[in-house]
Order: sequence, then structure tokens, then C-alpha cells
Amino acid sequence: ETGVTQSPTHLIKTRGQQVTLRCSSQSGHNTVSWYQQALGQGPQFIFQYYREEENGRGNFPPRFSGLQFPNYSSELNVNALELDDSALYLCASSARGQETQYFGPGTRLLVL
Amino acid sequence: GESVGLHLPTLSVQEGDNSIINCAYSNSASDYFIWYKQESGKGPQFIIDIRSNMDKRQGQRVTVLLNKTVKHLSLQIAATQPGDSAVYFCAENRRGSYIPTFGRGTSLIVHP
Repeated sequence: ETGVTQSPTHLIKTRGQQVTLRCSSQSGHNTVSWYQQALGQGPQFIFQYYREEENGRGNFPPRFSGLQFPNYSSELNVNALELDDSALYLCASSARGQETQYFGPGTRLLVL
Repeated sequence: GESVGLHLPTLSVQEGDNSIINCAYSNSASDYFIWYKQESGKGPQFIIDIRSNMDKRQGQRVTVLLNKTVKHLSLQIAATQPGDSAVYFCAENRRGSYIPTFGRGTSLIVHP
């Protein structure tokens, strides 16, 4: 069984740029959620995707957007990067109807 | 709601001791609770879960206790080992929701 994978592992961008982060869900899982984790804090929910559609969104601005593909993999896109976007971005997958989410290793984004 | 800040509560124990990590939740509509372990540079790892119709659940070396009267959750780790050193998060799901809300986290340091 393959776990959740994310790419890249680390990324450095400058303010105003755009970034795309990628996630492959655990085999058998069709729901993907994205979280932002600032240093010293718990993960904050960004949004969730099921059947290629957004299925819930946290308190994040529209410049945070996402996609889910037919193979259940997903992308997180962030436009017009701000310094405060520097964080660990986590992807989690789950089976539909199951509350337990399994996390990937995360992508560490640094915005300069 | 969650508190924020860079300084996590910290629990320091000696190897072989039992550890108890506590978590308070605020939403009486929450009916599913999860404990995650997050090691430095990694994503959160599922440890154990419990539903609101239970008071206690045991896993391998871990026990979760739920007190719904005071909205309190605890994670007990028996015979703590250096490999248990990590940040531990509790998370709660409101009834009917598949999106967990994370608590602040507690840093566990195990001294050999």
C-alpha cells in the first residue's frame, strides 16, 4: 500500500510569485484535503476535494486554489505569494465516508 | 477556538515513564477525536482515534480517554521511549463533518 506523497519537499519563492504543490493520495483513497501549518501551530484546513470538486473550504482567500484529477491526485496553487504564506503545506487523503485522514510528509514553502 | 503562538506546551519525561498528554476541546457537537504524532520535518501520523460513544480506547502502548462532561481528551503513552519524542496533536470532527479541527499541540521530550 502506497502512502500519501507530496512534491516538492522544499521550495523557495519570492513575494508575488505563484506556486503549485502536488499530492498523490494513498491507494484506495478518493478524498484529498490540504492544510497549512505555520511554525509551532496545528494544521489549518485550506480545502478538500472529492470527485474533482471542492468539498469544503477553510478561511483562506481565493488566491489559494486547487484541483483534483481523475486518479485522485491533487494540486494546490497559490497566487500572489505573501511572506506569511511561508509554512509547511500538508496534504491528507481519506476514503469517502471515513473521518480518519492520513497525511503526507508536506512541502516546506519559504517566501522571501 | 485554538490558541496560537510559537511556544508549544512541553512535557519532559524520562525513558520508561508513562506520559499523559492532555487536550481540551470546545465543540460539544464533536463526535470523533483523533491523536496525531508529528516528528520534526514530517507530516502528522495517525496514532489512535475514539468516538464520542466511548470513554476509553487502547492501542499498542497508547490509551485515549474521553471525558465529554468537561470536554477533555487525553493520550497516555506507557513506557515512553526516545522515539516517542514529537509534537502530539489532538483533532476533533463535528458530527457529520469529515474535516478535523486541530488543537495547538504538545511537545513531548523523552530523556534517555
